[in-house]
Amino acid sequence: AQSVTQLDSQVPVFEEAPVELRCNYSSSVSVYLFWYVQYPNQGLQLLLKYLSGSTLVKGINGFEAEFNKSQTSFHLRKPSVHISDTAEYFCAVSGHSGGSNYKLTFGKGTLLTVNP
Amino acid sequence: EPEVTQTPSHQVTQMGQEVILRCVPISNHLYFYWYRQILGQKVEFLVSFYNNEISEKSEIFDDQFSVERPDGSNFTLKIRSTKLEDSAMYFCASSPWTGAGYTFGSGTRLTVV
Repeated sequence: AQSVTQLDSQVPVFEEAPVELRCNYSSSVSVYLFWYVQYPNQGLQLLLKYLSGSTLVKGINGFEAEFNKSQTSFHLRKPSVHISDTAEYFCAVSGHSGGSNYKLTFGKGTLLTVNP
Repeated sequence: EPEVTQTPSHQVTQMGQEVILRCVPISNHLYFYWYRQILGQKVEFLVSFYNNEISEKSEIFDDQFSVERPDGSNFTLKIRSTKLEDSAMYFCASSPWTGAGYTFGSGTRLTVV
């Protein structure tokens, strides 16, 4: 089984400032990692994913994340945020060794609020 | 870009009534899922479906819930006798293979009164 911890429930930042949203996971098997974004009253949109290969993953809207296996982390970063980045961000993990590991397990989410 | 389509976007139902939430996954995807999100809480796994059968279900997915892929394109979630605590946003998702990252629909907001 997998679990995900998003350490910050809320992150307020000013426009054009850098931001990091933290995510740690635990799993007994190898994992795939994902970040989803949810804008108010909307569904879940995939920002980026790590399946294999380079540990630095680039996604949409200028976001990137780095997979750190030794620290079991997959933190999301953006060098300069915009007002339009205000949303809830969910880190998620799935295993890839079969059976119940395939389902996505989500963290509780981090509300990013970008202020002018 | 291909989308997962969910209908209706909002549904209000009386406690004890049956509801059917509908989803049209991406056409070449093989794996289908339902998740729910109670207001202010995290997204929770309900059920996964592959090769016309349930491959895994959570503790939430009790006998009141069922899923079906009746015609090869639609994927439905039925709640037989709704309870107040079933009020949530229900998301359908599909993926071409396990671990690929799911494409989620925009959700159905179910309100049980």
